[in-house]
Amino acid sequence: DAKTTQPPSMDCAEGRAANLPCNHSTISGNEYVYWYRQIHSQGPQYIIHGLKNNETNEMASLIITEDRKSSTLILPHATLRDTAVYYCIVRSPFGNEKLTFGTGTRLTIIP
Amino acid sequence: EPEVTQTPSHQVTQMGQEVILRCVPISNHLYFYWYRQILGQKVEFLVSFYNNEISEKSEIFDDQFSVERPDGSNFTLKIRSTKLEDSAMYFCASRPGHKGTDTQYFGPGTRLTVL
Repeated sequence: DAKTTQPPSMDCAEGRAANLPCNHSTISGNEYVYWYRQIHSQGPQYIIHGLKNNETNEMASLIITEDRKSSTLILPHATLRDTAVYYCIVRSPFGNEKLTFGTGTRLTIIP
Repeated sequence: EPEVTQTPSHQVTQMGQEVILRCVPISNHLYFYWYRQILGQKVEFLVSFYNNEISEKSEIFDDQFSVERPDGSNFTLKIRSTKLEDSAMYFCASRPGHKGTDTQYFGPGTRLTVL
């Protein structure tokens, strides 16, 4: 699976959109981009995933660049409960099933 | 909404003792996983399990570890002789397995403390 690079930390004001970037310049054609978050020491929580089209669900939006070398997770109206570590993970849908977690981005929502 | 559950939430044991961590994956899911997270470190893959056998395991998953799905609903991780360095959060996960892009869902974790 391709390696990802994320900023170690970010702050965002409550009520504003939080935009979390991820670089995955070595991503291959069949690899998907997944986002999870971990609130304190709880289990990782799935947020969203995509291949090349932008995706939106009730939690977030995922914007993937046309060359697929980077993506941005958008939390449209951040709340204090969105304070967490956010992980961007690239994974092939074939063979190797495990998720390889990096150090992620620690997002702090400021009241 | 269906969830992965894990018991106990916290387990304290003496070094050298055996522990069994229990998980109930989401019903109808076919693939099961254990991960661990030592305090302050990354979440690390331990093992994946499908069709009643291990499909992949990491270097961490040595002979002291074993997994079992004893009754079609529970999925257990056994550590035969615990070491201090086994102290960590242990997370169980499951995924449907109907297609390669489907998602792993994690349980809340068991905090294992080895004294």
